[in-house]
This record gives sequence, structure tokens and C-alpha cells, in this order.
Amino acid sequence: DTGVSQDPRHKITKRGQNVTFRCDPISEHNRLYWYRQTLGQGPEFLTYFQNEAQLEKSRLLSDRFSAERPKGSFSTLEIQRTEQGDSAMYLCASSLAVGTPLRGEQYFGPGTRLTVT
Amino acid sequence: AQKVTQAQTEISVVEKEDVTLDCVYETRDTTYYLFWYKQPPSGELVFLIRRNSFDEQNEISGRYSWNFQKSTSSFNFTITASQVVDSAVYFCALSEPDQGGSEKLVFGKGTKLTVNP
Repeated sequence: DTGVSQDPRHKITKRGQNVTFRCDPISEHNRLYWYRQTLGQGPEFLTYFQNEAQLEKSRLLSDRFSAERPKGSFSTLEIQRTEQGDSAMYLCASSLAVGTPLRGEQYFGPGTRLTVT
Repeated sequence: AQKVTQAQTEISVVEKEDVTLDCVYETRDTTYYLFWYKQPPSGELVFLIRRNSFDEQNEISGRYSWNFQKSTSSFNFTITASQVVDSAVYFCALSEPDQGGSEKLVFGKGTKLTVNP
């Protein structure tokens, strides 16, 4: 399978615990995005990486959230001291951005559904 | 600010009917991209189409067609002869090309399409 993969697919945690999600993008894709989707809503942008550099973060990304993309390959999204409001589907997407200006279609993974009890 | 509005929350049709999903967008930029994604019950967003703001030609792909009208800021999606497998949530999205920033997608809230046999 050469698509975007995410792990785990489901995570149930208690309020106050830390959780970490992983995203493996399509090989050689230089951009990686994180989105959050709550029930009945469209995905909302959280952050993105160009190779290993995190270039933009949404105001939705509070200090409890941190994302990394070491070596420009896979990425992790960590949520510290989880709150019930963090319950959502966390989606990862990757793209091969080329040209001037850089652009490329985003391909999404299956998502990680987080439930905070 | 960018905004995408999908006024139809849910649509239900009988198989073989044609159905049109509406999308209205707002942007101050003259250069932008519009997208449609499909999200089946499995949860993974599937890319359907990208259209740039300079190309107003309608596009047809099999049973799918798209009508882009800049004059009304609309990018509507029609499924001809709908099938049960078309049942999903459909999202319209907007992005600006990279200007040193991301191509983050701004999504509408989605339209849930149910095709009944």
C-alpha cells in the first residue's frame, strides 16, 4: 500500500493523559499536513511541514499540541494533558509540491479517531 | 478571509436520480484553487477534482461533472445516475497557491449524500 498511513486508527484516553499519533506520508512527498475534524464539520487545518520544517501553525494548535517531522519523513502529533474538547478525528495529508508557485494535491490518510473520556 | 459554504447538510435520493451538490466560496484573491473530496463511511478523504480560478470550463469525468462559475462564486458538483456506492459526505474546499506559505485547505461543512436502492 503506497498511500498515507496513520497509527493508531482509534485511541481512547482519559482526560489529562498524553497521546501521540503517527503519520507516514506517501514516499517522496515533501509536504505533510495535519487537520482536525469534529463531528458534522469539515476538516480544519492545524499545521504543515515542508520537508522537516514546520512552516505554519493554526491558532487551533494550542501549547498542548506539538508536531514533529524528523528527517522529513514520518510525522508525529502529540497532545499533552488531553481535554474532552480534543476528541476528534485527526487527519494527516501529504503532497508533492512542485512548480512555481509550489502546489500539489493533498492525499489523506484514514485518520486517528481520538476519544477523551 | 476564505470561506466555503455548503448549504445542503443532507440529501437523500433514489438510485439513478441525478443530484447536484452546491458549493459557494469567498476569497479576496484572484488566484485560488477549488476542490471536491469524498469521505465514505470508512473516513478517508478521497480527492475528486482540483480546479484553478482561471479555468472556468466545466469538467466531466464519467458520471461526475463540475460547474464552476466565478460570477456567482460557485463550484457545484453533479452526480448523474447516482448509485448506492456514491453514498458519502462530500466536501468542497478552497486554497490559495503557495506564496511562501502552505496550500492549506479551507473546507465547507460537507453534504451528506444518501443514495437509496
